[in-house]
Amino acid sequence: DAKTTQPTSMDCAEGRAANLPCNHSTISGNEYVYWYRQIHSQGPQYIIHGLKNNETNEMASLIITEDRKSSTLILPHATLRDTAVYYCIVNAGGTSYGKLTFGQGTILTVHP
Amino acid sequence: DVKVTQSSRYLVKRTGEKVFLECVQDMDHENMFWYRQDPGLGLRLIYFSYDVKMKEKGDIPEGYSVSREKKERFSLILESASTNQTSMYLCASRPLYGYTFGSGTRLTVV
Repeated sequence: DAKTTQPTSMDCAEGRAANLPCNHSTISGNEYVYWYRQIHSQGPQYIIHGLKNNETNEMASLIITEDRKSSTLILPHATLRDTAVYYCIVNAGGTSYGKLTFGQGTILTVHP
Repeated sequence: DVKVTQSSRYLVKRTGEKVFLECVQDMDHENMFWYRQDPGLGLRLIYFSYDVKMKEKGDIPEGYSVSREKKERFSLILESASTNQTSMYLCASRPLYGYTFGSGTRLTVV
């Protein structure tokens, strides 16, 4: 699986948009970009994934650059409950049962 | 709502004990995984299974074994618990895309 690079930590004010970047310059054509988050002492929670088009769901938006070498997760109106570690992962989807490799992620702190 | 359930949230076991960690999913997924998570080391894959009675070693299988007798249940076994197996253990199952994780079992071996 391709390796990802994320900033170690970020801060965001409550109510503002949180934009979390991820670099994945070695991503291959069949690999998806996944985002998960982990709130302290809980299992990771799936947020969103995409291949090349931008994606949006009730939790977040995912913007993938045209060359697919980087992406940004956007939490449009961050709340205190969004404070968590956010992981960006690339992995082949579809019928592959390949493992997910989690890096260190970005610690997002949302403050009042 | 889809669910992956781990039988215990917290466990304390003695060195040398045989420990069973149970995981059940209600989504009819083929693929199930066991990870452990330690500070500074992230999530590391112990074992995974892509079908009943099938298993594959992950990155750190030493000291562990697994059992998958039914599709919905994937058990992690510590044959003889040691203090370096104190960790958070996470079970996950995989649909076509992405993973669904359980809440984790925090195991302390004393």
